Amino acid sequence: AQRVTQPEKLLSVFKGAPVELKCNYSYSGSPELFWYVQYSRQRLQLLLRHISRESIKGFTADLNKGETSFHLKKPFAQEEDSAMYYCALSGIAAGNKLTFGGGTRVLVKP
Amino acid sequence: GAGVSQSPSNKVTEKGKDVELRCDPISGHTALYWYRQSLGQGLEFLIYFQGNSAPDKSGLPSDRFSAERTGGSVSTLTIQRTQQEDSAVYLCASSPAWGANQPQHFGDGTRLSIL
Repeated sequence: AQRVTQPEKLLSVFKGAPVELKCNYSYSGSPELFWYVQYSRQRLQLLLRHISRESIKGFTADLNKGETSFHLKKPFAQEEDSAMYYCALSGIAAGNKLTFGGGTRVLVKP
Repeated sequence: GAGVSQSPSNKVTEKGKDVELRCDPISGHTALYWYRQSLGQGLEFLIYFQGNSAPDKSGLPSDRFSAERTGGSVSTLTIQRTQQEDSAVYLCASSPAWGANQPQHFGDGTRLSIL
């Protein structure tokens, strides 16, 4: 069965510092990986997906199939990045439904 | 509408009662998903609908849970004989098509509290 692991429940950084959220997965097949974000009092929303290979709000994530990882990175964190971040996986073998990690709360201090 | 709409936003009910949660997906989206977000369990898949195909019910935790989608649009999640462990936020999502790389658009959720 597929699984997504986010080892850090809380990540606290200072504004301007780099931030990296770890995500590891297990999946038999070719996965689709996503990062979703939930800001305070807002709905869960897509941040980025590996297939797009894009940078959103300064965040990037690279799929490393050898290490089965999809870490999210931003070189200079901003206070507005404070939120809950979820790594998620989908795929044909998973019936195209999302399997989420446990989430990482990011707190960016001024 | 502008996004996925869920109602009610909050529901408090007594143990043993039945509840119905509603989801109105984004117009034109063919795939609809239900998830549950609870303390200690994170975000769990419950069920999804794609067009006229049979729904994937593999995530439903017990036979007290059921869902239907009428006319390929609005969906209702029903929980019968509610238990305290059913307390959670129930999230609905929709996507424009069925496929592993399709982004899902989430509603605000229904916060269900069982007394």
